[in-house]
Amino acid sequence: TQLLEQSPQFLSIQEGENLTVYCNSSSVFSSLQWYRQEPGEGPVLLVTVVTGGEVKKLKRLTFQFGDARKDSSLHITAAQPGDTGLYLCAGASGGSYIPTFGRGTSLIVHP
Amino acid sequence: NAGVTQTPKFQVLKTGQSMTLQCAQDMNHNSMYWYRQDPGMGLRLIYYSASEGTTDKGEVPNGYNVSRLNKREFSLRLESAAPSQTSVYFCASKGQGFSGNTIYFGEGSWLTVV
Repeated sequence: TQLLEQSPQFLSIQEGENLTVYCNSSSVFSSLQWYRQEPGEGPVLLVTVVTGGEVKKLKRLTFQFGDARKDSSLHITAAQPGDTGLYLCAGASGGSYIPTFGRGTSLIVHP
Repeated sequence: NAGVTQTPKFQVLKTGQSMTLQCAQDMNHNSMYWYRQDPGMGLRLIYYSASEGTTDKGEVPNGYNVSRLNKREFSLRLESAAPSQTSVYFCASKGQGFSGNTIYFGEGSWLTVV
């Protein structure tokens, strides 16, 4: 089983602060995804990264895939209360797409 | 826009009772999945189906059975529910090919076994 370690597990910050969430593994992944989950709902895909060193931006969110494709980070600039949620990373390798999920980072942004 | 639909949304069972969680997707996806989500444990794969007519065990299959009834539907059955199966269950589906690696999740089914 490929393991994905996410850190931190919990994050409570004030509106306007910056934050970074990390997703690390000893395994190499062919692709890595970040999901956001709000209470009472299923996870929703934010981004997929596939190339080592790749950086993708989604408004105030910046996603980076490590050069060795073993780790990834999510950076949020000037966090807003609407960013509150559970952030999950998921990695997959091989032809059959069976992603392994990290345990998630629970983010609370206070107004 | 339905996407992935799960029923029921909430269910309380007594230990030893059986039940089936239903899931249907309207996106013509080949792959379907059942996950459970527990506090601090993330999403763990119970079973998946790469295509109609095939099913395979995931990380935590014990105590569950699945049926891929057709391309649209993938059901999860608990034959004899145990308190350890109290969890939130998510059904998901995925399209074909590498470019279609977006997994779409249902809204979840909250199951409590007492």
